Amino acid sequence: KAGVTQTPRYLIKTRGQQVTLSCSPISGHRSVSWYQQTPGQGLQFLFEYFSETQRNKGNFPGRFSGRQFSNSRSEMNVSTLELGDSALYLCASTLAGGIQETQYFGPGTRLLVL
Amino acid sequence: AQSVTQLGSHVSVSEGALVLLRCNYSSSVPPYLFWYVQYPNQGLQLLLKYTSAATLVKGINGFEAEFKKSETSFHLTKPSAHMSDAAEYFCAVSDRSGATNKLIFGTGTLLAVQP
Repeated sequence: KAGVTQTPRYLIKTRGQQVTLSCSPISGHRSVSWYQQTPGQGLQFLFEYFSETQRNKGNFPGRFSGRQFSNSRSEMNVSTLELGDSALYLCASTLAGGIQETQYFGPGTRLLVL
Repeated sequence: AQSVTQLGSHVSVSEGALVLLRCNYSSSVPPYLFWYVQYPNQGLQLLLKYTSAATLVKGINGFEAEFKKSETSFHLTKPSAHMSDAAEYFCAVSDRSGATNKLIFGTGTLLAVQP
């Protein structure tokens, strides 16, 4: 099976712009979670989607949003980019979203905001 | 609320030496604990997980961890380090406050392996 794929892998944007990142989970997986990784804050949970519904959201401003499609692919959007949004954005998928399940991570999208 | 603390942001060992990476957890309910590894420019890969079965958990690449409730610890060990083990290691706990699979990560330990 193919693993979790994320596109694009690298992205450079300027302040004030918006960006959309994409995540394709492992085939058959219905849950997708997003995490932000920065040197200062570490790995922080953004949100989780299961069967097109957001089940949980982390402590991030409303500029961060996401959605999930019927084929389980997910996108996250960041509007009005700030310098502090520069980070590695990771998505992870699980079969059924259970808390004991292994989360399979993609390689991440590295976003640089100038 | 659940949390994990990783002691030592940088650990250096010689090739062939014991690897010990420390993780302590805080949880008011029985925790589900995970160790992940991240190689440069890659995502996270699961090494092993504890989900309240055996307290000694064996993972991939020769790693294992022991769940000790009395010490609230879940330290990661490997008897003999290889150069290929150089990476960043993250301990994580499932957030059991809701019906989702949110992970709460520690700050990570960067392992260097000296020849």
